[in-house]
Amino acid sequence: GAVVSQHPSRVICKSGTSVKIECRSLDFQATTMFWYRQFPKQSLMLMATSNEGSKATYEQGVEKDKFLINHASLTLSTLTVTSAHPEDSSFYICSARRGFQETQYFGPGTRLLVL
Amino acid sequence: QKEVEQDPGPLSVPEGAIVSLNCTYSNSAFQYFMWYRQYSRKGPELLMYTYSSGNKEDGRFTAQVDKSSKYISLFIRDSQPSDSATYLCAMTDWGNYGGSQGNLIFGKGTKLSVKP
Repeated sequence: GAVVSQHPSRVICKSGTSVKIECRSLDFQATTMFWYRQFPKQSLMLMATSNEGSKATYEQGVEKDKFLINHASLTLSTLTVTSAHPEDSSFYICSARRGFQETQYFGPGTRLLVL
Repeated sequence: QKEVEQDPGPLSVPEGAIVSLNCTYSNSAFQYFMWYRQYSRKGPELLMYTYSSGNKEDGRFTAQVDKSSKYISLFIRDSQPSDSATYLCAMTDWGNYGGSQGNLIFGKGTKLSVKP
C-alpha cells in the first residue's frame, strides 16, 4: 500500500509560538505533497501544493509567511505554523502522490490547538 | 455553482441496508473520480478510484460514474456499523486541460451512521 504518516498527531501550544508538522511517505517517493486544513464538520481545504525541491504553491487566501512549507526530500514535507493564534486551531492533513496523474494518499492528520 | 456538490447528511441507516452516496459536478473536464472514507479525527482513506464512465466493484462497495449526467455514486451493500464515517467524493482532470493544476476537488462529505 501507500502509507503516509504525520507527526505529531496532536499538539497544544501557546499563542505566539511556532509549530512544525511533519509529513512522510513511508513506502513510496512522493513527487508532490499537499497540505489541507479541515475545520469541524467542514470539508478539506487545500492550503498549498509542494513539489520536491521547489517552492510551494499556495492557494488564494493562505498566507505563505505564516504557513511555511518545506519539501526537502521525496519522502518528507514540513508545515510550520508561525506565530500561531487561536484561529489557527484546526485539523491539518497532508497527502502525497507518486506522480502527476496518480491519486493522493492521506496522512492521519494533526490536530492543532492554540491556547 | 460549486464545482462539486455533495449532500452533507447526516444519513442514518440500519445495519444491512444498502447505502447510496452521491455527488454532482459541473466541470465536464473531470475524468478521474475517487471516493474517500474519513473516520472521525482521522485522515481520509482512499476507497475507490474510477476513470471515466461506468461501474467499478470492490467487495461491498460499488462506484458508479455517469459523465453524461455529471453524477457519481458510491453504493455500500450490507452496511455495517464499522462503515459509519464521512464519505468524501473527489475528482480531477489531472491537469489535462489548460489552466488546471490537476488538483483533487473534494465534495463536502456525507456523514453516514449505520445503526446496529
